[in-house]
Amino acid sequence: GAVVSQHPSWVICKSGTSVKIECRSLDFQATTMFWYRQFPKQSLMLMATSNEGSKATYEQGVEKDKFLINHASLTLSTLTVTSAHPEDSSFYICSASAGQTSGNTIYFGEGSWLTVV
Amino acid sequence: AQKVTQAQTEISVVEKEDVTLDCVYETRDTTYYLFWYKQPPSGELVFLIRRNSFDEQNEISGRYSWNFQKSTSSFNFTITASQVVDSAVYFCALSGGSSNTGKLIFGQGTTLQVKP
Repeated sequence: GAVVSQHPSWVICKSGTSVKIECRSLDFQATTMFWYRQFPKQSLMLMATSNEGSKATYEQGVEKDKFLINHASLTLSTLTVTSAHPEDSSFYICSASAGQTSGNTIYFGEGSWLTVV
Repeated sequence: AQKVTQAQTEISVVEKEDVTLDCVYETRDTTYYLFWYKQPPSGELVFLIRRNSFDEQNEISGRYSWNFQKSTSSFNFTITASQVVDSAVYFCALSGGSSNTGKLIFGQGTTLQVKP
């Protein structure tokens, strides 16, 4: 079946540095992918909609200059957390829809745990 | 605006008890999808069910069952004869309309603890 893969699963970075998280659809093309953030013991909040070949659409309150999203191909979207700070430490998870031909089935990646020290 | 409410923050049961997790949603869309996911401590989201707004039939899958009531905007999830392995956080989610079916609004989640 269709799989969405995220990398890395765990990352620790120093405050002030940038870190990139990749989201890949392994056996289907995804024109749209979604990025969510989940703080400890909280729900998943949509950060942005990643659109292949165009700019991402960010949810209200999400800083587009801090969370850079690139969707350069139909199978890869990347989320770059720029100038990371400890408050950016969170669980980040992406999803992709396999499209109408697959009944709009949504697949989630495994998620990425980011710790900023 | 779309909203999903899971009023139960934490539930604790003893193994073999039945447990129901509540989910109430709000949407103005006539076409929408409802989901339940299980999130173990490792973090990944385990898909449990997707139900579209036109299908109000209840569904049973093994020990799991779902009750969809459009009249009360609820999509409750029942685990029969709970097991320790059922311990996790469970999320109800909503996706509205035909143009944004990939975008999910999640409830706050219910932490289920099943004690041996």
